[in-house]
Amino acid sequence: AQSVAQPEDQVNVAEGNPLTVKCTYSVSGNPYLFWYVQYPNRGLQFLLKYITGDNLVKGSYGFEAEFNKSQTSFHLKKPSALVSDSALYFCAVRGGGSQGNLIFGKGTKLSVKP
Amino acid sequence: DTAVSQTPKYLVTQMGNDKSIKCEQNLGHDTMYWYKQDSKKFLKIMFSYNNKELIINETVPNRFSPKSPDKAHLNLHINSLELGDSAVYFCASRHGLAGLSTDTQYFGPGTRLTVL
Repeated sequence: AQSVAQPEDQVNVAEGNPLTVKCTYSVSGNPYLFWYVQYPNRGLQFLLKYITGDNLVKGSYGFEAEFNKSQTSFHLKKPSALVSDSALYFCAVRGGGSQGNLIFGKGTKLSVKP
Repeated sequence: DTAVSQTPKYLVTQMGNDKSIKCEQNLGHDTMYWYKQDSKKFLKIMFSYNNKELIINETVPNRFSPKSPDKAHLNLHINSLELGDSAVYFCASRHGLAGLSTDTQYFGPGTRLTVL
């Protein structure tokens, strides 16, 4: 069965510092991995995805993620955090079978302090 | 130009009532989904609907029934509401067949359902 794990409930970063939000995955077959962000009382916004190709994926708002097959990880990164990046971040994997739905991690709350 | 829209945004109702949440996408997508986000922010698939084929997550009670009048709409009807149904419900859509596509899913703004 497909699954993702986000080991950190919360990540605290000072504005201007680099940030990393961790995600590891477990899949049978090829992994199709996604990152979404949820701002308070808002829907989920797509950030980026890995389907195939380059291991470093660039996405919206300056975010990027590195796919690492040997470590089964897909960590989200940003070189310089902004206070406005504070939100809930979800890693997801596309499920197998006929639904093709997303299977989400539990989410990581990112807090960026000035 | 809202891509995936849901109505209402907030829904407060009494236990035992029947209610519906509407979802519309103007992206021309082929597959639509309903997800539930519980109080701990955990997101879980409820249904997927593609080309008139409905796939139901086996953990969803049969009080929940999705209805798709056309390709652009997937509504969620809930009978005999219970306290545990309180959650945020998200609609999503995606291009391509459900089991084959790796295209991005786009989410609606969510409907916060509170059952009293």
